[in-house]
Amino acid sequence: KQEVTQIPAALSVPEGENLVLNCSFTDSAIYNLQWFRQDPGKGLTSLLLIQSSQREQTSGRLNASLDKSSGRSTLYIAASQPGDSATYLCAVRDFGNEKLTFGTGTRLTIIP
Amino acid sequence: GAGVSQSPSNKVTEKGKDVELRCDPISGHTALYWYRQRLGQGLEFLIYFQGNSAPDKSGLPSDRFSAERTGESVSTLTIQRTQQEDSAVYLCASSPRGLFYNEQFFGPGTRLTVL
Repeated sequence: KQEVTQIPAALSVPEGENLVLNCSFTDSAIYNLQWFRQDPGKGLTSLLLIQSSQREQTSGRLNASLDKSSGRSTLYIAASQPGDSATYLCAVRDFGNEKLTFGTGTRLTIIP
Repeated sequence: GAGVSQSPSNKVTEKGKDVELRCDPISGHTALYWYRQRLGQGLEFLIYFQGNSAPDKSGLPSDRFSAERTGESVSTLTIQRTQQEDSAVYLCASSPRGLFYNEQFFGPGTRLTVL
């Protein structure tokens, strides 16, 4: 059974710093991995999707990497801003499975 | 275009009552998913629809939970005889096709509170 872990559960950093969020998964037989942000009381916003054959994806200040063999992904946020404050979730889709398995998230606070 | 929409946004009900939650996927998306997020826990998969295929119900926690989808449009999640442990945010997502490379796009969710 796939298990997804995100550490730390919460992170606070001063505005302007670069930061890395971590995601690990137990079964490397995945189709893809998706990073989301969730704002309080809101749904999920998809940030980046990495296919199993890819090593990384970039969108603006965000860069996500995938090391499938070691079961790890990182989300790098450059030049953090207060608007980046949210909970960040990673989710994996296994081979032969349509559902996403989610981690419990990292709650990020950017301090102005 | 419009994103995934869900209604109601909030629902408060008494224990033992039935509730219906609605999801309108993005137009043209053939795949539709229901998840729930209980307080302090990660999202849990409930059910998946793909076109006219039989749904994957493997995530439904009990027979009190059921879902229907009309063609490739609206879906309704029904919870019968609600219990307090059913309190959660219920999230719907849709995807252009149920293939590995497609992203899932989520709605804002329905917050269900069972008193």
